[in-house]
This record gives sequence, C-alpha cells and structure tokens, in this order.
Amino acid sequence: SAVISQKPSRDICQRGTSLTIQCQVDSQVTMMFWYRQQPGQSLTLIATANQGSEATYESGFVIDKFPISRPNLTFSTLTVSNMSPEDSSIYLCSVGGTLYEQYFGPGTRLTVT
Amino acid sequence: AQKITQTQPGMFVQEKEAVTLDCTYDTSDPSYGLFWYKQPSSGEMIFLIYQGSYDQQNATEGRYSLNFQKARKSANLVISASQLGDSAMYFCAMSSNTGGFKTIFGAGTRLFVKA
Repeated sequence: SAVISQKPSRDICQRGTSLTIQCQVDSQVTMMFWYRQQPGQSLTLIATANQGSEATYESGFVIDKFPISRPNLTFSTLTVSNMSPEDSSIYLCSVGGTLYEQYFGPGTRLTVT
Repeated sequence: AQKITQTQPGMFVQEKEAVTLDCTYDTSDPSYGLFWYKQPSSGEMIFLIYQGSYDQQNATEGRYSLNFQKARKSANLVISASQLGDSAMYFCAMSSNTGGFKTIFGAGTRLFVKA
C-alpha cells in the first residue's frame, strides 16, 4: 500500500486569494487524482494528474481555477485559485492505477471567508 | 455511464448488532472493482474492503463483509457486531478499466451506532 501525505492539513483563506495543496507519496505511482468534497457531499473528481503532461480535468473543472502540477512520480500539487466561499471543501489526493488500488491522503480542509 | 447509488442517507443500529449498508452500481465494463470507505468526522477516507468483478467469493475483512450480487449489480456492506466507533459516513465506490481507473463515489450513508 502507498502512504500519502498532504500539506496543509487545513487552512482558512480570504476570498480572492489562492492556496496550493501538496501531495507526497512514499513510492512511485503512475496515476494521481485530486478530489473535492463539499460540505455534506460525496467526493467529486477534479482531475487526473499526469506525470510529464497536462492534467486531465473532469467536466465542470478548469485549469485556470485548479492548476495542477505533477513534476515526478511521487509528488503533485493542486492550486485553488481566486477562491470564493463556495470553494470551502475537503480536497483529497489519491493514487491508483489498477482496479484494486486506490489510496487516499488525509485531506486538506479549506475554509474560505 | 457508470453510476453508484446509495439510497440510505442515514442508518441507525444498536451497538453489538449487525447492519447492512446498501449499494447498487451500473457499468457496462466487465472488469471493475468495488470499494467501501469509512469517513469519520476528521475527514480522512479509510479503506474498508474491496471486491473485484471476477472474484467468486464475497470479500471479508474482519467485521466487514461485502455481499456481492453481480447479477443484481449490488455490493452491500455488512458490519457485524457494531461498535460506537463505527459511527461515520460510509461511501461505496467503483473503479474500472474503461473509466481510466478513476473512482466514482455514491452519495454516502451516515451510520449512527446507539449505545
């Protein structure tokens, strides 16, 4: 199994600012994913972070709002740009690549005021 | 399109009793994996159990078992001997080859264990 860490674990930010969330894995993984969980809701996939190429975004999410970097096989960042209160969520990084492997980081709890 | 359905927004169970959380899924992919996760108030996603579409036997992990009925496309989670610490949100999820190994989640079921 993979061990995943995320930084920061939580943050309170002002609207209009940006926050970058880091995801570190203890082993090389092919696929990394970023999810958003709004209050009281289920998890929604934002994008797949591809190493060496641009991220693949799901419908409703755009690169300008959620730029993603994947510089190597153990690290990725997600930036939440120009934040509004609607961006208050838990953001989770996960790694996978097979049908039976899907591990999650501890999450970043973001509050936008 | 792939879909996961959890129809129980909330469930109550008496401590030490068993409880079943329902999950149905829809996919045209013959090869897929089904997961259950527990999410306590801290927000972390805790993996509980996995079932592959080609697995002949139902998966079990300690007090957790997955009642897999492929023809009915259901993957219910059974928790035996409930404990107060089982109170949490539970998500059913699915991943498949054609889905690019992305995992989709159901709406979740909040379980309350009563003393």
